[in-house]
Amino acid sequence: GENVEQHPSTLSVQEGDSAVIKCTYSDSASNYFPWYKQELGKGPQLIIDIRSNVGEKKDQRIAVTLNKTAKHFSLHITETQPEDSAVYFCAARISSGSARQLTFGSGTQLTVLP
Amino acid sequence: DSGVTQTPKHLITATGQRVTLRCSPRSGDLSVYWYQQSLDQGLQFLIQYYNGEERAKGNILERFSAQQFPDLHSELNLSSLELGDSALYFCASSVDVTTYNEQFFGPGTRLTVL
Repeated sequence: GENVEQHPSTLSVQEGDSAVIKCTYSDSASNYFPWYKQELGKGPQLIIDIRSNVGEKKDQRIAVTLNKTAKHFSLHITETQPEDSAVYFCAARISSGSARQLTFGSGTQLTVLP
Repeated sequence: DSGVTQTPKHLITATGQRVTLRCSPRSGDLSVYWYQQSLDQGLQFLIQYYNGEERAKGNILERFSAQQFPDLHSELNLSSLELGDSALYFCASSVDVTTYNEQFFGPGTRLTVL
């Protein structure tokens, strides 16, 4: 099955700096890569996603890049703010078969220091 | 608010007991997913239902079972509980089962087994 590795497990940045979180996946059949943000006491919330036919996608201060050859994708947050502090999860979904479940990375605790 | 509701919010029980967790998907969503989140395991996919039928199974123990009812709400039954079953249990829903369908997560049920 699919295996997703996520680094780093914790990340502290100064407010206004950029943050980068990296993930690798194992199954080349994966073609959908969402990123979720989980705030304390809440469920994960989708913040951005990318499909395998796209190399980069941006949404305001958030961007995701995908390198299919190397099987890795990254989340970039620019101009970080204290409200960006949360746990971020990457995930991958395989396109084939009847199942469409997500395989999640282990999460990154991002802390933005004021 | 994702539109997915889960009850109860917290559950404290003893080893050997049985509990039922309930999930109501977003209006119009036909697919329901259950995930377990523990400190050392991250988000683990348990099981998926689509329009009342089981669609995919992940790392779900034989002591656990689930079902989706005609009104599309779902219940996750956990029996013969062990200390290691203490975790956050999330339900997510999506419109259908296509690859690019966003999963919306509920707020979770925190289960504590004493």
